[in-house]
Parts: sequence; C-alpha cells; structure tokens
Amino acid sequence: AQTVTQSQPEMSVQEAETVTLSCTYDTSESDYYLFWYKQPPSRQMILVIRQEAYKQQNATENRFSVNFQKAAKSFSLKISDSQLGDAAMYFCAYSNYQLIWGAGTKLIIKP
Amino acid sequence: DAGVIQSPRHEVTEMGQEVTLRCKPISGHDYLFWYRQTMMRGLELLIYFNNNVPIDDSGMPEDRFSAKMPNASFSTLKIQPSEPRDSAVYFCASRIAGVTDTQYFGPGTRLTVL
Repeated sequence: AQTVTQSQPEMSVQEAETVTLSCTYDTSESDYYLFWYKQPPSRQMILVIRQEAYKQQNATENRFSVNFQKAAKSFSLKISDSQLGDAAMYFCAYSNYQLIWGAGTKLIIKP
Repeated sequence: DAGVIQSPRHEVTEMGQEVTLRCKPISGHDYLFWYRQTMMRGLELLIYFNNNVPIDDSGMPEDRFSAKMPNASFSTLKIQPSEPRDSAVYFCASRIAGVTDTQYFGPGTRLTVL
C-alpha cells in the first residue's frame, strides 16, 4: 500500500529566510502525482505545488519549489523568502487516482 | 469561476440528531470526494464518486453515515444519528478526470456534536 511520511511535526523559520519541509513516500507505481497543500488557520486546503512523476524537472511556483528524487521516493518543499502568510500546516500527498496524505508539518514564521 | 461550495460552514447539534452536509463541486468536474479531518486521525477519505456513482465507500465509518450524489452539481453527506465522536471538519473536494489528479477543496464544514 502507498504511504506518505512527513517526519517533521513542526518547523520554524525566520521571516525572509528559506525553509525546507521533508516528505517521503512509498509506492510500486511508476506514474503518479505528488502534491503539497497548505492549510492556514482558516482551515481551507490550498494547493501549493504539483509534480508529475514522469517529469524530471522539479516544479516551481514563485517562492515555492520542490526537490523531487524519484529513486529515493523523496519530495521536499522549499519555501524561499518566507512570509508571515506562509504560516500554516503543510501536507504532502501522493496520488495515482486518489490522494494519500502525510500527517502534516506545522510551519511557524518568526517575525 | 466558483470553487467548491460547502454548506453550512459551521454546524452545532446535539447527540442523536440528524446532520446533513452539502457540497457543490466545480462545474465540469466528474469526481467528488468527502473527507473528514480530526486532530487524532488527520485527513480521512470517507467516500468518492465518479460521474455521480459511488466508487469507494470503504472509509465511511459506520452505517450512521451515508452519502448521495443525485446529480453532477450536488452531493450530501448525512449522519444519523450523530454522536460526539463525529465532531470534526468535513471537506468536500472535486477534480476532473484525466488531468493531473489535482483535487480542489471546499472551505469545509466544522461539525460539533454535543
């Protein structure tokens, strides 16, 4: 069965600094998608970034980028120039038709 | 374009009462998912539909929970009778088949059963 592991329950970073959130997953599939979702205190689940497993190039969305290591089954999220509005729970998820979720990492931004 | 719409946003009820949660997916999306989120168990998939047909309801905790999708633009999740342990945030999400697997979430319904 597919599993997703986020080993950091909580991370903190100084405003304007860079932080990396870790995610590993387990699957025997070769074609799938990986996602990072953000859940701020409003509890809305917001898509941050998406990676297709068949693409070697790492996805980037403005200040958010991923380091996708398919052989290692690793999918980390890097947030550059952290802002106060980035404070949230971040969930890593795996999909090949439905989503398998990690437990989440709480990101704290220090002003 | 409107996102996924859920109602009500908050629901407080007493144990034993019937609760109905509502969801309107994004127009054109043919998959609809119901999730429950609690501190103890995180995000759990309860059931999902494809073209209004329930495909997998193995996550529905027990017979007190039921879900329907009478048409492409509306789904309900019903709990009858409700219990305090059902208190959680319930999310609805939708996606379109064959395109990136991305699910788009509604704002959630916070349910409190007293």
